[in-house]
Amino acid sequence: GAVVSQHPSRVICKSGTSVKIECRSLDFQATTMFWYRQFPKQSLMLMATSNEGSKATYEQGVEKDKFLINHASLTLSTLTVTSAHPEDSSFYICSASPNSEQYFGPGTRLTVT
Amino acid sequence: KQEVTQIPAALSVPEGENLVLNCSFTDSAIYNLQWFRQDPGKGLTSLLLIQSSQREQTSGRLNASLDKSSGRSTLYIAASQPGDSATYLCAVEGGSEKLVFGKGTKLTVNP
Repeated sequence: GAVVSQHPSRVICKSGTSVKIECRSLDFQATTMFWYRQFPKQSLMLMATSNEGSKATYEQGVEKDKFLINHASLTLSTLTVTSAHPEDSSFYICSASPNSEQYFGPGTRLTVT
Repeated sequence: KQEVTQIPAALSVPEGENLVLNCSFTDSAIYNLQWFRQDPGKGLTSLLLIQSSQREQTSGRLNASLDKSSGRSTLYIAASQPGDSATYLCAVEGGSEKLVFGKGTKLTVNP
């Protein structure tokens, strides 16, 4: 099956700093990738749709200036959490699809202290 | 707005038992429905994908059914094993590849 990777798997940062998370499709090209966030005991919530070569589309309530998304190639999307705060601590997961089935990355656990 | 509900939130069964996980959704205009497995602190593993035109899909000990008109899906796990312990998530796609997830059912299979 298709493989999606994420890096890093875990990151701890200080409040006020920025963190970049990478999402890669390893064996297929993805013009569209998705970023989700999952708080403890909550369902995954879609944050934004990352579009290769164009601006990302953000879901209602997600600040585009805080969660910067760059999709510069057909295999890489990055999510940068700018000026991170403790409430941004969460599990971030990306997904991409070579067909009708979504494939997910292993996730990135972000802890902001 | 699509909402997905999974019942029960948690389930504990002895090894070998057959079990059913339930998923319901409010808007029947879906493109497909997927069942995922999530191990603690890990990403999602896709288990089964059911297209809107299909009634069920099977993979090994897993069988998923879809009744689009009533907004329901079930995931049947036969002869459960301790290794099946995980959180099972149901998600529906209404188009544009966006998925709406339920909160999941945390399954514990006791040896």
